[in-house]
Amino acid sequence: NAGVTQTPKFRVLKTGQSMTLLCAQDMNHEYMYWYRQDPGMGLRLIHYSVGEGTTAKGEVPDGYNVSRLKKQNFLLGLESAAPSQTSVYFCASRSGQVVNQPQHFGDGTRLSIL
Amino acid sequence: KNEVEQSPQNLTAQEGEFITINCSYSVGISALHWLQQHPGGGIVSLFMLSSGKKKHGRLIATINIQEKHSSLHITASHPRDSAVYICAGLIQGAQKLVFGQGTRLTINP
Repeated sequence: NAGVTQTPKFRVLKTGQSMTLLCAQDMNHEYMYWYRQDPGMGLRLIHYSVGEGTTAKGEVPDGYNVSRLKKQNFLLGLESAAPSQTSVYFCASRSGQVVNQPQHFGDGTRLSIL
Repeated sequence: KNEVEQSPQNLTAQEGEFITINCSYSVGISALHWLQQHPGGGIVSLFMLSSGKKKHGRLIATINIQEKHSSLHITASHPRDSAVYICAGLIQGAQKLVFGQGTRLTINP
């Protein structure tokens, strides 16, 4: 049971390059989330999805786009990477069938923008 | 002011000590999530609770919804408990968490 899998685990980009981070979950969860974690800032929500084909903005959505074409996958895109997007990115998912279920997190993606 | 406040921000203790980490929140939440993150590591869910108390091994979490306060206790602490502990509130009526800043715990042998 893999749980929540993020790819890649590490990436270095140059300013202006684009890339997509993939999050895959095998728990049939309805809700999926993308967060970024920066020193002293805690976890901040970028975008989230409450089901296949739906997405919504979180706390810090600027500079990012997302897609949820399949229930098990949630993609986070950076169209034109900026140094301010250097961070550790975490994906999470949780069931929408039962109230107050915990979120399950991936291992994170460390992204550096030069 | 953050909607979820943790204290202390940093805590250093000796192996075997009883540890308490506190979490206070100012928003209406339906449940409180305690998470653990080891240095350079991923985030692991410890507890999700909406009332009362939960226990798992040496870890105990309590919550008082009326007082908007939760605590995480570690009994017989061990160096492997060294990590950042994060509390997060599940906002009422929403599907989102609001996070505290985390408590960095160091247990010395």
